[in-house]
Amino acid sequence: DSGVTQTPKHLITATGQRVTLRCSPRSGDLSVYWYQQSLDQGLQFLIQYYNGEERAKGNILERFSAQQFPDLHSELNLSSLELGDSALYFCASSVGAGLSYEQYFGPGTRLTVT
Amino acid sequence: EDQVTQSPEALRLQEGESSSLNCSYTVSGLRGLFWYRQDPGKGPEFLFTLYSAGEEKEKERLKATLTKKESFLHITAPKPEDSATYLCAVRTVNTDKLIFGTGTRLQVFP
Repeated sequence: DSGVTQTPKHLITATGQRVTLRCSPRSGDLSVYWYQQSLDQGLQFLIQYYNGEERAKGNILERFSAQQFPDLHSELNLSSLELGDSALYFCASSVGAGLSYEQYFGPGTRLTVT
Repeated sequence: EDQVTQSPEALRLQEGESSSLNCSYTVSGLRGLFWYRQDPGKGPEFLFTLYSAGEEKEKERLKATLTKKESFLHITAPKPEDSATYLCAVRTVNTDKLIFGTGTRLQVFP
């Protein structure tokens, strides 16, 4: 158990809908990262927050947004969902902002868009 | 463009049959290479970080090595519980993100 929690574990929704994925980092970690893992593209970095502020952005679509709250939990919002958004979404946390800090991954949320 | 390629895509081993997984990279400037293990339906689990050519790290039956072009994950006398997908990722001077390879799916049979 990495100490990172993600909810829900599974999510099934229809095209055009909006969903929110939630992540609680390990105790003491200030950074939260979001990743998308699909069968054809592997693990893709979406966005990073450090202590409530956006720190780095990857291949995140404009339909997707994220935030980190004062209690350090983070939410990833996915809107106008398309079939191609079906994937595993992972959250990771680390104690510091830089990539030299080890990232601990949560168990993921499996999103299925029908 | 920074790129990470892992080979083979899949590897089947008999218990006790040692082998190596490869991670080759083409990047503008390497600032770290990371190995992760991922079990089905779970998040990646950190194994090693390597920073410079010639560096080696070991953990139980696993040993990671790094050259200027590639990294190897050597598995000595594997056991069925070593079955998993092994991912490598790089951090470069140009980016604030980890770039992952697509992984090697390892199956070890008793």
